[in-house]
Amino acid sequence: AQSVTQLGSHVSVSEGALVLLRCNYSSSVPPYLFWYVQYPNQGLQLLLKYTSAATLVKGINGFEAEFKKSETSFHLTKPSAHMSDAAEYFCAVSASVWAGGSEKLVFGKGTKLTVNP
Amino acid sequence: GAVVSQHPSWVICKSGTSVKIECRSLDFQATTMFWYRQFPKQSLMLMATSNEGSKATYEQGVEKDKFLINHASLTLSTLTVTSAHPEDSSFYICSARRDRGVLQETQYFGPGTRLLVL
Repeated sequence: AQSVTQLGSHVSVSEGALVLLRCNYSSSVPPYLFWYVQYPNQGLQLLLKYTSAATLVKGINGFEAEFKKSETSFHLTKPSAHMSDAAEYFCAVSASVWAGGSEKLVFGKGTKLTVNP
Repeated sequence: GAVVSQHPSWVICKSGTSVKIECRSLDFQATTMFWYRQFPKQSLMLMATSNEGSKATYEQGVEKDKFLINHASLTLSTLTVTSAHPEDSSFYICSARRDRGVLQETQYFGPGTRLLVL
């Protein structure tokens, strides 16, 4: 079984400050990890994904995340927050069916990011 | 990029009526489509997985007779909420995946449909 824990349901930063959104996962097989962003009343947009290649993954809008197997973490960062980054962020995990995992995406509860001017 | 649309974007209906939501992959063929439900300020919960030309696989606790899913073509899946009740009011989101058969493919999400049952 796979699960995701996002630490902090709300994160508030100042414009220009570092953004750090935390995600820890649990998986019995090598995981695939994803970060999605959701703006109000909209669907999810993929920010980045890890599928067992490079551990540091760069995504859209200046976001990146690092897969750390020893810490079972996949934290999302951005060096300098912009007002337009204010949204809900979801971390998700799945796994290769070939490795005995589940293809289904399991989502964390989300972290709402507020960016203050 | 891969684009997924949903129609309608929002719907209000009376209790007891049925509502159909469409999910379309606009620029790729989606072998697999997923339907999620999202309650206010909560995460997405997978309702069912549908593969083109076969019956949908429902998650535990989801009533398949209430939430009818049809994946009749490689670009269209529909979710019908039958005999809707106020507790069915929610945000329904679909996603689509190409499934090239070897590597894990990304799910691309639609914009969602907000259903309000009066």
